[in-house]
Amino acid sequence: GDSVTQMEGPVTLSEEAFLTINCTYTATGYPSLFWYVQYPGEGLQLLLKATKADDKGSNKGFEATYRKETTSFHLEKGSVQVSDSAVYFCALLFGGFKTIFGAGTRLFVKA
Amino acid sequence: NAGVTQTPKFQVLKTGQSMTLQCAQDMNHNSMYWYRQDPGMGLRLIYYSASEGTTDKGEVPNGYNVSRLNKREFSLRLESAAPSQTSVYFCASTLTDFTGELFFGEGSRLTVL
Repeated sequence: GDSVTQMEGPVTLSEEAFLTINCTYTATGYPSLFWYVQYPGEGLQLLLKATKADDKGSNKGFEATYRKETTSFHLEKGSVQVSDSAVYFCALLFGGFKTIFGAGTRLFVKA
Repeated sequence: NAGVTQTPKFQVLKTGQSMTLQCAQDMNHNSMYWYRQDPGMGLRLIYYSASEGTTDKGEVPNGYNVSRLNKREFSLRLESAAPSQTSVYFCASTLTDFTGELFFGEGSRLTVL
C-alpha cells in the first residue's frame, strides 16, 4: 500500500544552518505530495505542496522538489531560525480522500 | 476566523467510560476527518466523511464511531474507552477530495486510565 518514510529525529541545528529533512514515498500512481508543520500545542498546517513530477513547492524559505525517479520529496531550507523549531510531516494524497502521513521529524534550532 | 474547532481540549477518562469529541468547521468544507497522533507513528486516520451524509473507516477505526451531523459538524465517539486510546486527536477538513490541503483543529488530548 501507499506509505511515507521520513528521517527520524530529533534534528538539532544552530541558527542559520542548512536544513534537509528526507522523505521518500511508495505509491502505485502519481500522488500529490505535501509538507505540513506542527508548532508546539497547535494542529498541523500546510507548509508547501507539489502535485506533479519536477514541481517545486516553496513557502517561508522552505523548498521541496517532487522527484519521481527517486520517489522523494526532501524538505530544505538554507538558513534556519529558532522560530522554525517544530515537527515536520511529509504526506501524500493519491486517488481519493485519504492523506497518508509520515511519522514526523522534530527540529530543534538553537540560538 | 475560527476555522476548525474541537472540544474538549483535554479529557481524562477511566477505562470503560464513554465520551464524544466534537468538531465543527466554518469554511463550508465538504470533507472532514478524524486522526489520532501517537509518538513515532505520525497521524493515523480513524474515520472520514467525504461529504454530508457519508462516513467511512480509515486505518484504525476499531473502538470508535462517528456521526456527520450536518455539513459543519463531525463527532467522534468512544463507547468504552481503553488505555490504548490514550492519544491526541485531531479533526481536519478540506474543501474537496482532491485539493489535498487539510485544515486542522488544535487537537484534543485524551488520557484513559
